[in-house]
Amino acid sequence: DIQLTQSPSFLSASVGDRVTITCRASQGISSYLAWYQQKPGKAPKLLIYAASTLQSGVPSRFSGSGSGTEFTLTISSLQPEDFATYYCQQLNSYPSTFGQGTKVEIK
Amino acid sequence: EVQLVESGGGLVQPGRSLRLSCTASGFTFGDYAMSWVRQAPGKGLEWVGFIRSKAYGGTTEYAASVKGRFTISRDDSKSIAYLQMNSLKTEDTAVYYCTRGLLYGMDVWGQGTTVTVSS
Repeated sequence: DIQLTQSPSFLSASVGDRVTITCRASQGISSYLAWYQQKPGKAPKLLIYAASTLQSGVPSRFSGSGSGTEFTLTISSLQPEDFATYYCQQLNSYPSTFGQGTKVEIK
Repeated sequence: EVQLVESGGGLVQPGRSLRLSCTASGFTFGDYAMSWVRQAPGKGLEWVGFIRSKAYGGTTEYAASVKGRFTISRDDSKSIAYLQMNSLKTEDTAVYYCTRGLLYGMDVWGQGTTVTVSS
C-alpha cells in the first residue's frame, strides 16, 4: 500500500498567516492526490483534486501543487473559518489511502 | 440539492453483521462511482472501498482491513449504495461516510452514520 506522510501533524498559526502543509507519498502517484478539510463533528470537504485543481466553490486562497511523491497545500491568508484538520488522499492505486492529518489551530 | 444520507448504523456485537445504506438525491446516481470512508473515534480518515458505475463495470475495490468481510453494492434504480459488513470486529467501530466519486476526489459526503461494535 502507498503510505502518505503529512507534515506537520499540528500547526499553530494566526489569522492572515500563509500556511503550507506537505504530503509525501511512499512511491510516485503522478498527480492523483486530493486534499480535504474537516471541522469537528462534520464530514470532510473536498478542497483540491488532481493535486492542483480547486474544487468548485472553494476560496482561491487555497492552492495545491506537486506531483510524483511530494505535494503541498497552501492557504495564502489564513481565515478564522480555516481552523480545521486537513487530510491528503492518494487516488493513484488501490487501496486509496489518506495521510494522518494536519490540525491547524489558532495561535 | 445534491445530497447523500446514510442510515443503518447502530450498536452490534462482535461477529455479527450490519448493512448500511446511502440514499442519494439531486444527481444521476448511476453515473457516479460511490465510496465509503470511515473514521474511528478521535482518529483520522480510512478509505473502506468503492464501487464503480455500471459504465465501468460496477466492480469494487476494498481496503485490506475489510476485504472479505465487507461488500459494497448499488441499486441504481433506487439511487442507493450499500455497505454490507459481516464478521464485525471492535476495531470496525467508527463513523461511516458515504461519498460520491473517487478518482477526482470525493466531492459529496453524507453526514455519517455511527457503528459501534461491542459486547
